[in-house]
Amino acid sequence: ETGVTQSPTHLIKTRGQQVTLRCSSQSGHNTVSWYQQALGQGPQFIFQYYREEENGRGNFPPRFSGLQFPNYSSELNVNALELDDSALYLCASSHRRGEETQYFGPGTRLLVL
Amino acid sequence: KNEVEQSPQNLTAQEGEFITINCSYSVGISALHWLQQHPGGGIVSLFMLSSGKKKHGRLIATINIQEKHSSLHITASHPRDSAVYTCALQGGSEKLVFGKGTKLTVNP
Repeated sequence: ETGVTQSPTHLIKTRGQQVTLRCSSQSGHNTVSWYQQALGQGPQFIFQYYREEENGRGNFPPRFSGLQFPNYSSELNVNALELDDSALYLCASSHRRGEETQYFGPGTRLLVL
Repeated sequence: KNEVEQSPQNLTAQEGEFITINCSYSVGISALHWLQQHPGGGIVSLFMLSSGKKKHGRLIATINIQEKHSSLHITASHPRDSAVYTCALQGGSEKLVFGKGTKLTVNP
């Protein structure tokens, strides 16, 4: 039990639709990172938010966007869904100090048809 | 060339065996994480290392910063240790760069 929750657990969308995934972090965790894990692959970094500002971005197009809120929750939004967006989406939170464990949520499994 | 390489990719062991999983990397890091993911389960952080060695139960993780190498050891392995073990690099921010993982199967 990491104290990080994600919703929904599973989601089915069709190509071209938009989706919002949610993550609720532990109180005091100012940093949240989002990862995409395709089947059989390791997680790939999408972006990170620190105190409600984007703090780094991986190799993902602008249709992947995010928000972080003062209550330690955050969102990942994906527009114009493509079939290749089907994956497990993970959020991980931590305090922003040098050496801190990251706490992963259970993930949201997205299927794009 | 990948920033982080893990070996082996797959590992099958008999219950009770001593297990070693290796992780080599080519970039400067502030910390290295070892993560565990059981089939159908979530990712669990086992260790975060920046130097030396850490031990938790039957799990031991070591890191050699000069050689850019880390190992995860499991003593007296058990079927419930069957999972994917992944090392992940942490640079200046909290962003993690993941290895491809090692799938461990421990047979009774």
